[in-house]
Amino acid sequence: DTGVSQDPRHKITKRGQNVTFRCDPISEHNRLYWYRQTLGQGPEFLTYFQNEAQLEKSRLLSDRFSAERPKGSFSTLEIQRTEQGDSAMYLCASSFLQTETGELFFGEGSRLTVL
Amino acid sequence: EDQVTQSPEALRLQEGESSSLNCSYTVSGLRGLFWYRQDPGKGPEFLFTLYSAGEEKEKERLKATLTKKESFLHITAPKPEDSATYLCAVQEGTYNTDKLIFGTGTRLQVFP
Repeated sequence: DTGVSQDPRHKITKRGQNVTFRCDPISEHNRLYWYRQTLGQGPEFLTYFQNEAQLEKSRLLSDRFSAERPKGSFSTLEIQRTEQGDSAMYLCASSFLQTETGELFFGEGSRLTVL
Repeated sequence: EDQVTQSPEALRLQEGESSSLNCSYTVSGLRGLFWYRQDPGKGPEFLFTLYSAGEEKEKERLKATLTKKESFLHITAPKPEDSATYLCAVQEGTYNTDKLIFGTGTRLQVFP
């Protein structure tokens, strides 16, 4: 399967714990995005990489959130000291540099529940 | 502030009953408007890109159109498999940004 892969698909954690999500983009795609989606809402932009460089970061992304994309391949999104408000679906998407930048291929998401 | 509003929030149609979904937007210089489909528990799936007023795109029973302030997604003779949430997103063009601003979506249910 050559789609965007996210792991884990579901994570339940207690408030205050750290969690990390992994995203493996489509292999030839050099752009990678993280979005967050809560129930009944559209996806909300978090951050964006081109190869290994983090080019854009939302003001919504507090200091507890950090994302990396070492070597321009897979990416991780870490949330430290989780809060109940962090409960959401975390979506990863990728695209090829030469295509229209709004044409994203999304993974199936990682659902986070903070108790 | 850039904003995307979709209506209606939910739409129930009988199979074969055509209708339209609306996406109105406020953005500083539109770079592109995008339609996505999202099935429950899945990530969004890209449908169309529209760049300028008057542009139209078609795919099977779906047709997207764009004016200077809104976009419509027309669904002709829908089938139950068209049931999904349809998301509209815009990308603004005056700043160096690649982020998409999504609306809250229209949840479509098509009954046989």
